[in-house]
Amino acid sequence: GAGVSQSPSNKVTEKGKDVELRCDPISGHTALYWYRQSLGQGLEFLIYFQGNSAPDKSGLPSDRFSAERTGGSVSTLTIQRTQQEDSAVYLCASSKETGNNSPLHFGNGTRLTVT
Amino acid sequence: DQQVKQNSPSLSVQEGRISILNCDYTNSMFDYFLWYKKYPAEGPTFLISISSIKDKNEDGRFTVFLNKSAKHLSLHIVPSQPGDSAVYFCAATQGGSEKLVFGKGTKLTVNP
Repeated sequence: GAGVSQSPSNKVTEKGKDVELRCDPISGHTALYWYRQSLGQGLEFLIYFQGNSAPDKSGLPSDRFSAERTGGSVSTLTIQRTQQEDSAVYLCASSKETGNNSPLHFGNGTRLTVT
Repeated sequence: DQQVKQNSPSLSVQEGRISILNCDYTNSMFDYFLWYKKYPAEGPTFLISISSIKDKNEDGRFTVFLNKSAKHLSLHIVPSQPGDSAVYFCAATQGGSEKLVFGKGTKLTVNP
């Protein structure tokens, strides 16, 4: 499969626990994005990585959220001390290059439920 | 403050007829607009886009119209097919920014 792969597909965690969500982008795609979709809402931008540049973290909702991208490929989104309002579908996307001519290719998402 | 609005949460259309999905935006700096389609339990997939220098872009059964003065765009699907049943998201960006601003989506149901 050549698509964006996310794991796990579902995650249920207790309030206060830390979680890690993983994203494998399409091979050769230099740009990687994290979005989330809360119930009844649109997709909300979280963070963006492009090559070796510093990531754009302007969408992260709090300092409990962090993300890294190792070796320009796999990315991990970490949420510390999870809260119930963190429950959402977390979507990763990659694109071949930046700019308007490179549409985002999304993974199927990780559905996070915080109880 | 929602910058991209899809005011119709759902739309139902008969197979073979036209589906028209609407989207309004408030940020006049947006200069590039996209439509994504999402099936349940899958990520959104890119459908069609339009630059603000154009007022229409067509790709097969899908046409996007942009009215800059009204800050409004619409997606026309004709003829509609049952396989088009999905949630459609409108998205916008400005100045080549990598951050897309999405609407809440419209669920389209095409009835056979």
